Order: sequence, then C-alpha cells, then structure tokens
Amino acid sequence: AQTVTQSQPEMSVQEAETVTLSCTYDTSESNYYLFWYKQPPSRQMILVIRQEAYKQQNATENRFSVNFQKAAKSFSLKISDSQLGDTAMYFCAFLVRPNSGGSNYKLTFGKGTLLTVNP
Amino acid sequence: SQTIHQWPATLVQPVGSPLSLECTVEGTSNPNLYWYRQAAGRGLQLLFYSVGIGQISSEVPQNLSASRPQDRQFILSSKKLLLSDSGFYLCAWSVQPNQPQHFGDGTRLSIL
Repeated sequence: AQTVTQSQPEMSVQEAETVTLSCTYDTSESNYYLFWYKQPPSRQMILVIRQEAYKQQNATENRFSVNFQKAAKSFSLKISDSQLGDTAMYFCAFLVRPNSGGSNYKLTFGKGTLLTVNP
Repeated sequence: SQTIHQWPATLVQPVGSPLSLECTVEGTSNPNLYWYRQAAGRGLQLLFYSVGIGQISSEVPQNLSASRPQDRQFILSSKKLLLSDSGFYLCAWSVQPNQPQHFGDGTRLSIL
C-alpha cells in the first residue's frame, strides 16, 4: 500500500520569507506522479504543482518549486517570497498506477501541513 | 475552459434521512470523476471513482453509493445517513487517470 507522510502539522513564516514543507512517500511501484495541493480557508482544493517521477528536473511554478529526491522518496515544496494569500493547508499527494496496468490509478493524500504567513 | 460545479455547498440532515450530492463538469467529455471525503483536520479519502457512464468503483465499504447517469454528472447518495457520514465532500475530475485532478468547491455535510 502507498503512504504519504507530512511530518509538519503546522508551520509559520514571515511575509516575504521562504519556507519549505516536507513530504515523504512509500511505494513499490515505478510509475507515479506527485502533487502539492493547497486548501485555503475557503476549502477549495487547488493544484499548486506536479512532478512526474520519471523526470529528474525539479518542477517550478512561479514562487513554488519542489525538491524531488526519488531515491529518498522525498518531495518537498519550497515557497519563496511568501505572501499572506499563501496561508492555507498544504497537501502532498501521490498518484500511482499499479504495475499490473489498467486504469486503476489512485491518488493518496498526506494529512496536510497548515501554513500560516504572518505579516 | 473546464469547470466543475458541486452542490449544495452546505447541508444539514437528520440521522436516517437520504442524501443526494450532485457534481457536474463542463467543457470536457468523458472525464474521470471522483468523490472524496475529508474529515476535520485530515487529508482526503477516496470514496468512489468513475471512468465512464455507469462505471463506478468503490474504494471503501460504507453507507454511501455513487452513480454516473450522464457523461459529466456524478452523484453521491445514501438511503440512510449515519452520524459518521458528517464531513466535507469533494468532487473532482481529471482528463485521464494519470493527470492532475481538479476539485469542486465541496459540500459540508452535518448530520444531526
């Protein structure tokens, strides 16, 4: 079974500073994808960034970037120049296709990290 | 562009009453559709997913069921709600199973 672990239940950062959220995962599969989702107080789940496991280059989306360490099964999210609007719950998620094939992909979420950006 | 609509936004129901939550997707055809539940302070748990009309897969045994009567419509139902059914329910869609999922605004369900 696949598991996703976010070891930091809560974090805080000052506005304009940089913060890194940790995520580790466990799987025996070889084909998978990794995502970070953001859930602000409005509760809408918003895709922040994605990473394909077969790509060595770390994904970047504006102020958001990841540090993907496949051997260590680590997928951390770095937020640069933090803004007040970044305050949200951040979920690491792992999408895997079993080696047996078929369309039975499953997206597994971590329990989340509550990030608060302070003015 | 594609949009996903989910309603109602909030629902308060007594124990033992039926449930119907609806989700529709616009701007795409044959989407993969998903229902998740999010308990307070926790991540998302996949309840059902569908790769086509009438094709429903259940991830966990429970008091709920799902149906997909039309290509872009996904319904979450229950005949008799339990207190444990309270939570935040999210519908999501993706173009392909290995593509990112995009979520609706969610329904907060409270059972009294």
